[in-house]
Amino acid sequence: DPKIIQKPKYLVAVTGSEKILICEQYLGHNAMYWYRQSAKKPLEFMFSYSYQKLMDNQTASSRFQPQSSKKNHLDLQITALKPDDSATYFCASSQEEREISNERLFFGHGTKLSVL
Amino acid sequence: AQSVTQPDARVTVSEGASLQLRCKYSYSGTPYLFWYVQYPRQGLQLLLKYYSGDPVVQGVNGFEAEFSKSNSSFHLRKASVHWSDSAVYFCVLSPASSGSWQLIFGSGTQLTVMP
Repeated sequence: DPKIIQKPKYLVAVTGSEKILICEQYLGHNAMYWYRQSAKKPLEFMFSYSYQKLMDNQTASSRFQPQSSKKNHLDLQITALKPDDSATYFCASSQEEREISNERLFFGHGTKLSVL
Repeated sequence: AQSVTQPDARVTVSEGASLQLRCKYSYSGTPYLFWYVQYPRQGLQLLLKYYSGDPVVQGVNGFEAEFSKSNSSFHLRKASVHWSDSAVYFCVLSPASSGSWQLIFGSGTQLTVMP
């Protein structure tokens, strides 16, 4: 029974289009994150949110915009898609954003995005 | 610069054999180190973590890892692997100074356990 739900599991998009990756967590956590795993790079941290506020942003492109409509939601909107955006995007959560020594990070199953 | 290197992209061992997956990190301060595992079609799961103290840390399913400051390493070990251990293993660094989940991942090691 997954506690972090990512939708869809697979997504195919055409270059130049816009997509939204959905993430919901049912762990009661206050912090949520996005990571990206592309074929040619290690898993990379993208964003962290705490209490629905942006805390860290390591993504250079403004085409990637997190959206938090509810405390347990952190969607990722990607505009003007490029083939290089093809990757698996993982959502994660933790109880608090800066309590790393006392907590665990929980990951969703990922959304695999292919941009043609 | 902070980085994590997993020199072995793929490792194949026979069931029942011992295992070591190598991890080297680069960080001038005190690191928080983790090993995560990704089973097929699943998200990442925490195997074990090291913050301080005893350099050998125990994890789930019989895994352990040893931190070496002098070698800047955090190798993962298991005495006897099972076929269900086949997965991708990630060594992960968090700079302690940031105290946050801004993790730095290694490229992963694909482990295949032959029956």
